[in-house]
Amino acid sequence: GAVVSQHPSRVICKSGTSVKIECRSLDFQATTMFWYRQFPKQSLMLMATSNEGSKATYEQGVEKDKFLINHASLTLSTLTVTSAHPEDSSFYICSARVSGGPRRYEQFFGPGTRLTVL
Amino acid sequence: GQQLNQSPQSMFIQEGEDVSMNCTSSSIFNTWLWYKQEPGEGPVLLIALYKAGELTSNGRLTAQFGITRKDSFLNISASIPSDVGIYFCAGRGGGGADGLTFGKGTHLIIQP
Repeated sequence: GAVVSQHPSRVICKSGTSVKIECRSLDFQATTMFWYRQFPKQSLMLMATSNEGSKATYEQGVEKDKFLINHASLTLSTLTVTSAHPEDSSFYICSARVSGGPRRYEQFFGPGTRLTVL
Repeated sequence: GQQLNQSPQSMFIQEGEDVSMNCTSSSIFNTWLWYKQEPGEGPVLLIALYKAGELTSNGRLTAQFGITRKDSFLNISASIPSDVGIYFCAGRGGGGADGLTFGKGTHLIIQP
């Protein structure tokens, strides 16, 4: 149980275009999902917390107009990188946590999406 | 913001050896989680700790939540080649903040 998928796994785009990444919880409902970014050989950095049916909460320094998050259902959150630039190239990873119960603080991660902006 | 100091940064060990790594913080955390990440993949949850002083095992892995709530360690006994990867500690703070703060990772390399 607690499987999270991401799509696409890898994307290459031209500078100035927008890219949408999907995160799905496959076998559980997640009222809260999280988006992280990881640069090569570095740790994961929390970008934003995605709440089903409400606005996302962004970490300090993360531009909410550039990284659009939509959490329209209990199993799907999307991250759209708008007007992507080469410095946005990174490994984007989502996570989801079970809604309620004793394990509600455990986060289960997707396999990640490698974004390369040319 | 909250920061986690994870050490060591990397470990080169022989197969069969025991491994120990730890994380410390100046802030209190309510939950400690240990993850393993392999290249090009997302982190996989190994152990979750919820109470100060808690000691939990998962096979050859053992982790403890420090009494002060500011530290945690992970031990791996009798390492095998598939243990290779990057191990991250992660802490969840109080005050309703559910996002995780990650340590910088411990890169485990096993020599046969």
